[in-house]
Amino acid sequence: DAGITQSPRHKVTETGTPVTLRCHQTENHRYMYWYRQDPGHGLRLIHYSYGVKDTDKGEVSDGYSVSRSKTEDFLLTLESATSSQTSVYFCAISESNWGGEDTQYFGPGTRLTVL
Amino acid sequence: GNSVTQMEGPVTLSEEAFLTINCTYTATGYPSLFWYVQYPGEGLQLLLKATKADDKGSNKGFEATYRKETTSFHLEKGSVQVSDSAVYFCALTPNTGNQFYFGTGTSLTVIP
Repeated sequence: DAGITQSPRHKVTETGTPVTLRCHQTENHRYMYWYRQDPGHGLRLIHYSYGVKDTDKGEVSDGYSVSRSKTEDFLLTLESATSSQTSVYFCAISESNWGGEDTQYFGPGTRLTVL
Repeated sequence: GNSVTQMEGPVTLSEEAFLTINCTYTATGYPSLFWYVQYPGEGLQLLLKATKADDKGSNKGFEATYRKETTSFHLEKGSVQVSDSAVYFCALTPNTGNQFYFGTGTSLTVIP
């Protein structure tokens, strides 16, 4: 199994508070991704990173920011959490920038509830 | 644009039944296609993949063939087991970048 951990695994927070989720990898892969998983929507890309300090937006980036100061860590921040951000968040990593010869490996997920 | 459509679930089968989960796609260029599996409480795991037309991906008794003419990548297994109960996701990457696009997932329950 790819060495990917996410913390926390579960979090309950209140509307309006900031929340940071952490993804840590031990594979030294260049690319890291944050997805959210919601019923009826599958997985949707929030942000991704293609190197230290290099990030870009995905399909559903509004209300989220990311940072990557080290290869192994990719942080997702909800600047002011809302109930619509209640979801399961998955981090993924991949080695190269050609998806055909590469695979995304997923972390175990973080279940976030915003009250 | 890029998108993946897979059959609605949930799907319930008896053990040893034949499984088909349909997946069709829209993509620019020549995508690579994937099936991922998610067991309860876990992240997604790669099940199989195919990188060009007519390729067949296979793993753990599951198979899928990349059909460019029908833009499909249907997942099949000849005899399902209770342990195959999970959610299955079809996905593509267009190979012009590093983004993946996922279907909405199909829940499979296999009963003894």
